[in-house]
Amino acid sequence: DAKTTQPPSMDCAEGRAANLPCNHSTISGNEYVYWYRQIHSQGPQYIIHGLKNNETNEMASLIITEDRKSSTLILPHATLRDTAVYYCIPRANQAGTALIFGKGTTLSVSS
Amino acid sequence: GAVVSQHPSRVICKSGTSVKIECRSLDFQATTMFWYRQFPKQSLMLMATSNEGSKATYEQGVEKDKFLINHASLTLSTLTVTSAHPEDSSFYICSATVIGALETQYFGPGTRLLVL
Repeated sequence: DAKTTQPPSMDCAEGRAANLPCNHSTISGNEYVYWYRQIHSQGPQYIIHGLKNNETNEMASLIITEDRKSSTLILPHATLRDTAVYYCIPRANQAGTALIFGKGTTLSVSS
Repeated sequence: GAVVSQHPSRVICKSGTSVKIECRSLDFQATTMFWYRQFPKQSLMLMATSNEGSKATYEQGVEKDKFLINHASLTLSTLTVTSAHPEDSSFYICSATVIGALETQYFGPGTRLLVL
């Protein structure tokens, strides 16, 4: 069974905020929520991660619901270069624990 | 962020030959590296977990004798695809976790393998 549910695709106008949802209702107490993205034909790029508090960095903001069953990645001002597949991945911070990728959301940013 | 490199970036080989792909952590040491495979229009699939100085752990369905993994140092892991066949054509991606900072896994740029 998939650990996460994300919409297959989303569109966003350049300059607008992109809000990417993720459902992870079976997340364990020791698992963080990680977000990565993959631009076509490149390796995945780390974006942000969080446990239960909202997080913000230079790339994005992460909003995690209080029950931790879902989260939203926010790109405040999307650009054409943000067009990519975005993956939401629960992962425990333990040595040797790999990221397991689902299908992700394909975000298309257009001018 | 930490940088992971892969070499070569793309390779074309004949069926039946072996191909070696290198994965290096350039500015950090990594006790654990991971190897993934990605087919067109699909997501990344974990193949194996590579630990420095010990045998790799392979995911179910991945043949350890076909995909040889060596993690000889804290900055280098290699994946050798032995007796490659056209169905092994894929995008191979490695990643590494920084020692002392278990939170983030950094990925290489990937190696595109085409077996003719």
